[in-house]
Amino acid sequence: EVQLVESGGGLVQPGGSLRLSCAASGFTFSTYWMTWVRQAPGKGLEWVANIKRDGSEKYYVDSVRGRFTISRDNAKNSLYLQMNSLRAEDTAVYYCASQSSGDFAYWGQGTLVTVSS
Amino acid sequence: QTVVTQEPSFSVSPGGTVTLTCGLSSGSVSTTYYPSWHQQTPGQAPRTLIYNTKTRSSGVPDRFSGSILGNKAALTITGAQADDESDYYCALFMGSGIWVFGGGTKLTVL
Repeated sequence: EVQLVESGGGLVQPGGSLRLSCAASGFTFSTYWMTWVRQAPGKGLEWVANIKRDGSEKYYVDSVRGRFTISRDNAKNSLYLQMNSLRAEDTAVYYCASQSSGDFAYWGQGTLVTVSS
Repeated sequence: QTVVTQEPSFSVSPGGTVTLTCGLSSGSVSTTYYPSWHQQTPGQAPRTLIYNTKTRSSGVPDRFSGSILGNKAALTITGAQADDESDYYCALFMGSGIWVFGGGTKLTVL
């Protein structure tokens, strides 16, 4: 059974940092691009970042570039999102998803990040 | 900055057919944008229905179909059912590794 399980969300103050993790199982993690997508409360989906199979390419939405860093460890079947200089507008549920040839094939259940003082 | 546009809401009768669209604030959507469609019910994670314009994801019934209609990507639901009532999001590949989601369409089945 394919599973993507996010963790690491929580309450953080503006300007703080948080590291999200996504543990993958049930598929060959190293053969998929991986993506983070977020959803602010009551809002739509927003693509945040993705990373190539071997980690050699990384891309970000403009609003997080320079503050967030996506990474992966294929030996541990894990995806990460290091979030620094957090702002109130970063408050959202963060989903990890696998991508192959344009297919967001698998999605996790999400982890909530709340940025508030 | 290019915005991906979707109808904010749509309604369809049970058993009816509905077509949702996905456009660009500037320009036309083509297959080179690799349009995908994602369904989300409240409190749940998204589920991918269609990718690469018209390929159905595993387990998706064939009453969901994708296409290019004019200058937009389109998702057609044939024989709508009550549990199709969801939010539907399209996503487009903008190049250089970047994807953009549309604002979503809230579909009501009544």
